[in-house]
Amino acid sequence: AQSVTQPDIHITVSEGASLELRCNYSYGATPYLFWYVQSPGQGLQLLLKYFSGDTLVQGIKGFEAEFKRSQSSFNLRKPSVHWSDAAEYFCAVGLNYGGSQGNLIFGKGTKLSVKP
Amino acid sequence: DSGVTQTPKHLITATGQRVTLRCSPRSGDLSVYWYQQSLDQGLQFLIQYYNGEERAKGNILERFSAQQFPDLHSELNLSSLELGDSALYFCASSPRRNSGANVLTFGAGSRLTVL
Repeated sequence: AQSVTQPDIHITVSEGASLELRCNYSYGATPYLFWYVQSPGQGLQLLLKYFSGDTLVQGIKGFEAEFKRSQSSFNLRKPSVHWSDAAEYFCAVGLNYGGSQGNLIFGKGTKLSVKP
Repeated sequence: DSGVTQTPKHLITATGQRVTLRCSPRSGDLSVYWYQQSLDQGLQFLIQYYNGEERAKGNILERFSAQQFPDLHSELNLSSLELGDSALYFCASSPRRNSGANVLTFGAGSRLTVL
């Protein structure tokens, strides 16, 4: 079955430091890939998506992600973290025919804390 | 504001009761999705509607039901509530019916607490 793994449940970084959140997926074909962010008390907001083409995609709030087919990964990066980036981040795979899983399969999420 | 409106934002009720969660999708979106978010299960897909018809069904309990009305708003009905139903329920909408390239727009969620 298709799945998304986010190995890190919780990450703490210092403000101004760089960030990389890991995401691995299991899917037979080239997937549609997404990163969403959930701030406390808020819904999920799309950060960026990859459908095809350039494997390095830019998103909102200074985030970028790189699709690596050989590693089945889609890691999220930011060169300098701001305190306002503290939130929970979800990687997701989009499927054309997800069936009972729906079109969008989410990882368990990585909670980011930012130290001043 | 994402354009997806969910009501109520918070709901506290007792075991055995029934509640209805409401969702208005973003203007122009025909698909509505319901997700349940809990600490132990993460984000679980419940059900999807497209233009009034059920499109896909996920891990939705028999005690739960949903529908999408002609004006495209959707309701999720939860009955015979149990403590374990306490969770954040999200509604999302998208323009298309069934595509992995669907970009879902999420509402702020309805937090249900069952006492």
